[in-house]
Amino acid sequence: QKEVEQDPGPLSVPEGAIVSLNCTYSNSAFQYFMWYRQYSRKGPELLMYTYSSGNKEDGRFTAQVDKSSKYISLFIRDSQPSDSATYLCASHTGGFKTIFGAGTRLFVKA
Amino acid sequence: SAVISQKPSRDICQRGTSLTIQCQVDSQVTMMFWYRQQPGQSLTLIATANQGSEATYESGFVIDKFPISRPNLTFSTLTVSNMSPEDSSIYLCSVDRQGAGYGYTFGSGTRLTVV
Repeated sequence: QKEVEQDPGPLSVPEGAIVSLNCTYSNSAFQYFMWYRQYSRKGPELLMYTYSSGNKEDGRFTAQVDKSSKYISLFIRDSQPSDSATYLCASHTGGFKTIFGAGTRLFVKA
Repeated sequence: SAVISQKPSRDICQRGTSLTIQCQVDSQVTMMFWYRQQPGQSLTLIATANQGSEATYESGFVIDKFPISRPNLTFSTLTVSNMSPEDSSIYLCSVDRQGAGYGYTFGSGTRLTVV
């Protein structure tokens, strides 16, 4: 079993839709949770960073962590074609060894 | 946050040859990280490079295959040696954004194809 699992998609939505991206993880010691966005032929860029459980909002993006179910979510409101990318979730225990999911490809249609 | 320049952006290489990837950071950083991203798979850490010491390799990666240099606090190289088609992948360097693992800044990656 992979430590961080993510549905590869692709996920296709119309412009303006609310997007829900999800990951599950198996290591109960994970304390830090991140979402990265990766455009084609680019490196990943950090979108959201959360510690422990709870929600964190930044503009149209909301990250949610449920440690009881080991579930990580990213919500994108009012999705735009420019949001089309691969989204990677990632976790670590507090050290430098970050475990990444394989990524979910998102397409937002105009 | 730091800006990372990575080159080459892509290359096509013959099997049995070696390729050196360069990573330049616009600020001094203690640790630099080298990742591999294979199609449909998660980012996998190859090694952590500290200035002035030997790189620390993850399980499944060895120095003879992926030698790393870290001559100063702003620069690192990763060499992929004696390449085979299985080494075809995207290679990424990264640095820690704030220390203590608060997420990474990545270079734009090197897309390597071995034929």
